[in-house]
Amino acid sequence: DIMMTQSPLSVAVTPGESASISCRSSKSLLHSNGITYLSWYLQRPEKSPQLLIYQISNLASGVSDRFSGSGSGTDFTLKISKVETEDVGIYYCVQFLEVPLTFGSGTKLEIK
Amino acid sequence: EVQLVESGGGLVQPGSPLKLSCAASGFTFSSNWLNWIRQAPGKGLEWVASINPDGSSTYYPDTVKGRFVVSKDNAKNTGYLQMNNLRSEDTAMYYCARTEGAEDYWGQGVMVTVSS
Repeated sequence: DIMMTQSPLSVAVTPGESASISCRSSKSLLHSNGITYLSWYLQRPEKSPQLLIYQISNLASGVSDRFSGSGSGTDFTLKISKVETEDVGIYYCVQFLEVPLTFGSGTKLEIK
Repeated sequence: EVQLVESGGGLVQPGSPLKLSCAASGFTFSSNWLNWIRQAPGKGLEWVASINPDGSSTYYPDTVKGRFVVSKDNAKNTGYLQMNNLRSEDTAMYYCARTEGAEDYWGQGVMVTVSS
């Protein structure tokens, strides 16, 4: 199984500042078709997860461009610029390369 | 508008069965994979099942393999998760989801509680 390791477990950010979340996979997520199957989700309190980024860096529809993804192979980063109060929640990375699909343990973002 | 609506959750005793449903609308259900993902109270997300578009192939993690069965009725635009021999550790919110790149939709979730 591919293990997904996220860090930090939690982060507290002042509104207007930036935050970065790291995700590392135990195996390269690059498929032979050239696509890397790494996505990022935000789960706001009491809500279903919402897709933010797919295939490392593609912004999902309707998602603010304050969110950006980067990385390759086994190391990935989600950056949130100019953090707002609505960004509070838990962020998860997930690999869709192979079953079992596996999620990172989550990073809780709080506002200072 | 794409919608996924789960139903069938509730409180059951250990060892009991339960069947969840996922009613889909707003897209061609027969052309898409369907996933089930759960979240235990206060915990992270865990994938529990996937089924391919025509229902001919299914996939499970070891934690539920042999106990859970995923299926879909493309004529009814509905997916199902039959859960057998439920354990306390199966207590969770269960989501059905269509997750294909940019086409990503989740239901609101349905709670399953396994307790005596």
